[in-house]
Amino acid sequence: SQQGEEDPQALSIQEGENATMNCSYKTSINNLQWYRQNSGRGLVHLILIRSNEREKHSGRLRVTLDTSKKSSSLLITASRAADTASYFCATGRDDKIIFGKGTRLHILP
Amino acid sequence: GAVVSQHPSRVICKSGTSVKIECRSLDFQATTMFWYRQFPKQSLMLMATSNEGSKATYEQGVEKDKFLINHASLTLSTLTVTSAHPEDSSFYICSASPPSPTSYEQYFGPGTRLTVT
Repeated sequence: SQQGEEDPQALSIQEGENATMNCSYKTSINNLQWYRQNSGRGLVHLILIRSNEREKHSGRLRVTLDTSKKSSSLLITASRAADTASYFCATGRDDKIIFGKGTRLHILP
Repeated sequence: GAVVSQHPSRVICKSGTSVKIECRSLDFQATTMFWYRQFPKQSLMLMATSNEGSKATYEQGVEKDKFLINHASLTLSTLTVTSAHPEDSSFYICSASPPSPTSYEQYFGPGTRLTVT
């Protein structure tokens, strides 16, 4: 079963712009993670934010978590062509990770 | 970082045959491994949770007799797709979780693309 719903499903922006993706979930969680997947390839772990954290940064990535709204956002600043990929949020509860449907991000040159 | 491998990376088999996919944690011991399936342009769907030395726990709707999971050691889990059919064609990804009560991270393998003809 899927827990997270990403919004938007697809996003195209110009190189250099910021990209924001949102994720909503339904049940209580221990943590929320964001992953990137290039077409037909494996997953790359981007960032994990715990349920007691509100914001986390890693390089050009900024993740927020609002447990009262059961939502998270991933911001990629100064986007690059190499950022073109699918991005998934994944909610962790107990020892399971449940993935959302993903956002397909396309960076235009 | 922790590395998880899968073998094979690609496999083509005929309808009715069985295919075994291996998932190995290379530099850590994994008490728990997970198997996911991903159809084209869709998300990863958790199929089952595999614990070393015990039976796997399957998600609702996943046929345990069709997708046989064995977690015989702390570094190896196998998924066998029995009597494969074209609708089983998919991207199968495993992940492994080290035995830490404070770590929620899973390390993902590169995936195995199964094509059933």
